[in-house]
Amino acid sequence: DQQVKQNSPSLSVQEGRISILNCDYTNSMFDYFLWYKKYPAEGPTFLISISSIKDKNEDGRFTVFLNKSAKHLSLHIVPSQPGDSAVYFCAATGTASKLTFGTGTRLQVTL
Amino acid sequence: DAGITQSPRHKVTETGTPVTLRCHQTENHRYMYWYRQDPGHGLRLIHYSYGVKDTDKGEVSDGYSVSRSKTEDFLLTLESATSSQTSVYFCAISDRSPGSTYNEQFFGPGTRLTVL
Repeated sequence: DQQVKQNSPSLSVQEGRISILNCDYTNSMFDYFLWYKKYPAEGPTFLISISSIKDKNEDGRFTVFLNKSAKHLSLHIVPSQPGDSAVYFCAATGTASKLTFGTGTRLQVTL
Repeated sequence: DAGITQSPRHKVTETGTPVTLRCHQTENHRYMYWYRQDPGHGLRLIHYSYGVKDTDKGEVSDGYSVSRSKTEDFLLTLESATSSQTSVYFCAISDRSPGSTYNEQFFGPGTRLTVL
């Protein structure tokens, strides 16, 4: 049972435009959400996170939005750059819940 | 970058042979994890450790065992490798417990294992 879902396996965006990556979850006990970025042949690296007490967290070009009622979060990258091309994993955790990952979305930023 | 190394980085082995993967950290984090990454599955937890000689199973632990004799080292062993264990294996570390909020984990570079 996939508790964290990333329904778009891939996304292509032009350089300078906005990239929006989506993630849905089913476990209402999750209260902390993270995004990881992964380049080929490297380990995932932590990108940004959000607690369930917030609905938005911003760090430079990256913003994560959380809609608790819809059990949905999204990662916005503005403006998108070629170096943002990677696989992005959504993850969730909470009391008595281990870190659970989605299946990933491959973002390609084109020139 | 967190000081996490994994060895070997690549390995090809045959079905039925034992394989041990090593994770080494220099951050003195208490918690260590082994994940596997497969297409369509994301990262799945195999085993984790909450201290020296203290380990527990994750969601895909069958066919794997782990050991942690020192804070800095966490070993993953495939007792008798099968083709279904062909995967990329990642080690991760954290200073927060698996069931806690704000559990950011830091990952090693991965080991690509192929079982023929």
